[in-house]
Amino acid sequence: QSALTQPRSVSGSPGQSVTISCTGTSSDVGGYNYVSWYQQHPGKAPKLMIYDVSKRPSGVPDRFSGSKSGNTASLTISGLQAEDEADYYCCSYAGSYTWVFGTGTKVTVL
Amino acid sequence: EVQLVESGGGLVKPGGSLRLSCAASGFTFSSYSMNWVRQAPGKGLEWVSSISSSSSYIYYADSVKGRFTISRDNAKNSLYLQMNSLRAEDTAVYYCARESPLVEAFDIWGQGTMVTVSS
Repeated sequence: QSALTQPRSVSGSPGQSVTISCTGTSSDVGGYNYVSWYQQHPGKAPKLMIYDVSKRPSGVPDRFSGSKSGNTASLTISGLQAEDEADYYCCSYAGSYTWVFGTGTKVTVL
Repeated sequence: EVQLVESGGGLVKPGGSLRLSCAASGFTFSSYSMNWVRQAPGKGLEWVSSISSSSSYIYYADSVKGRFTISRDNAKNSLYLQMNSLRAEDTAVYYCARESPLVEAFDIWGQGTMVTVSS
């Protein structure tokens, strides 16, 4: 199972919006509405930010939103804040009770 | 407080074995599927294995199949990963993660335990 493809890095100024793409195949991202996104600060455990493509867990700011089109999912951070600087990983159900993560994207707040 | 705490990591020689543990608290452990996810130094996340709430269903990534064994003890609120025939490429931080039955995602993560495979 190959990792989902994410851009290595994205950046934006405070208040701006950034979008991270996550490209898979019809066997994972395109085949199921089970895409999730995780935020990871250096040396910390990942934190769930989005599940089921576009749903936010309680406590996650509504600045974070998710979507999907075909084999590509996206995470958008609106109104970028300094604390949003972190690594972000997408994850998709890949069938047969297996999961595949994305390659990860470093978000830099300029 | 809902919490997962991993332990058991360390330095092991190639070909050696190690057993990781994950202690759960603050929720009904026996109601949740559990997973192991690893992260090699400077690399991304990799799903390793999952086990259903009653241990009826167990799955592994191809990269560890036949070498790693996941198990759980619901009476002790604990998850385990027995790792045999370890290779250098197994070097990583190993996280245990709860899989919520309400959402198809990993909603709670432990802080991780480091496994280093080196001679």
